[in-house]
Amino acid sequence: KNQVEQSPQSLIILEGKNCTLQCNYTVSPFSNLRWYKQDTGRGPVSLTIMTFSENTKSNGRYTATLDADTKQSSLHITASQLSDSASYICVVRGDGSGGGADGLTFGKGTHLIIQP
Amino acid sequence: DAGVIQSPRHEVTEMGQEVTLRCKPISGHDYLFWYRQTMMRGLELLIYFNNNVPIDDSGMPEDRFSAKMPNASFSTLKIQPSEPRDSAVYFCASSLGGDANEKLFFGSGTQLSVL
Repeated sequence: KNQVEQSPQSLIILEGKNCTLQCNYTVSPFSNLRWYKQDTGRGPVSLTIMTFSENTKSNGRYTATLDADTKQSSLHITASQLSDSASYICVVRGDGSGGGADGLTFGKGTHLIIQP
Repeated sequence: DAGVIQSPRHEVTEMGQEVTLRCKPISGHDYLFWYRQTMMRGLELLIYFNNNVPIDDSGMPEDRFSAKMPNASFSTLKIQPSEPRDSAVYFCASSLGGDANEKLFFGSGTQLSVL
């Protein structure tokens, strides 16, 4: 069964600190992996999309890594800011039969709180 | 572009009532998706359209749920009759095409509470 597991479920860090969020998946065959940021009361917004051949992709202070062999991804946030407080959702797209009707399997997200 | 626009932002209704959620996708986007988000299950696809035609509705929970897309700029998701277990946040999303790397753009969602 295609699954996306994220850890930790929630995380609290102090402003200015770095943090790393984890995503493990079993989706096969694999097409791409996406990280979304969802602010409270808003819809998810795409941060990165990585294909099989991409190991690292950055978007400002956000850096995503992908290890397609171990089926793991991480999202590293550098020098956190209060505005980084949000849920971060890992989404994996299957190639062909992987995932839902839209080809996507969603993780339940990591809830990140940045404290001043 | 204003992005994907959903209305209402919040809906509180009583069990048994009809609920209609509305969505205006980004102009020019050919794909429209309806998702439901709960704490327990996360985001789940309900149905999606391509060029106004429903492609897959296998995620629609039961016959109480229906969705339409009468034109390229408008879609509705209707629940009749509504039940307390339908309480969730419903998101509409659109994408330019169906390519594997296509980015999804989400609306701000409708928070539905069925009492």
